Amino acid sequence: NAGVTQTPKFQVLKTGQSMTLQCAQDMNHEYMSWYRQDPGMGLRLIHYSVGAGITDQGEVPNGYNVSRSTTEDFPLRLLSAAPSQTSVYFCASSLNRDHYGYTFGSGTRLTVV
Amino acid sequence: KNEVEQSPQNLTAQEGEFITINCSYSVGISALHWLQQHPGGGIVSLFMLSSGKKKHGRLIATINIQEKHSSLHITASHPRDSAVYICAVSKSGNTPLVFGKGTRLSVIA
Repeated sequence: NAGVTQTPKFQVLKTGQSMTLQCAQDMNHEYMSWYRQDPGMGLRLIHYSVGAGITDQGEVPNGYNVSRSTTEDFPLRLLSAAPSQTSVYFCASSLNRDHYGYTFGSGTRLTVV
Repeated sequence: KNEVEQSPQNLTAQEGEFITINCSYSVGISALHWLQQHPGGGIVSLFMLSSGKKKHGRLIATINIQEKHSSLHITASHPRDSAVYICAVSKSGNTPLVFGKGTRLSVIA
């Protein structure tokens, strides 16, 4: 089925561990982005990419890395997990963010202990 | 001040009621999005609009560019409409989405 696939759905990490959240889309969308959602804060942009080989920082990039080696994949890496990174993470893609709607992944609930 | 403001923050309605959720923004935009998120669930795009009005089933979205305001209406509300509704704008100049903080809707049978 066409869409945005995020894995894993749930993850518990210990402080200091690293991990990669996977995001893949099969719609040939150029624009991909990662958000975190925290109670009372709404969705906040972590990193985004306007095409393969191009990434840029969003509102809350510290502690996260991204890469975009292919159009389909946009993984988010937590370098050294901290309790402040406990959140729900969403990946989203769009054909063109100015003129097309967004498709969101189902989310990853991450707890850092 | 946030660039995107939604009201109300929380809304409780009886089944069958007509519901309106409002979104005001303070920046130039190329498009406005309405999103829906069910409890514990993913985020679904309901509408993207840059002018006028769009309708899908019992949902209607309108936008007034001059007044920088959009409304999401739900007719004949049902408990399954209970969700958080999020307004987001694509600012002019090909920049990332800016989100409102959402409106939590509960529809009681």
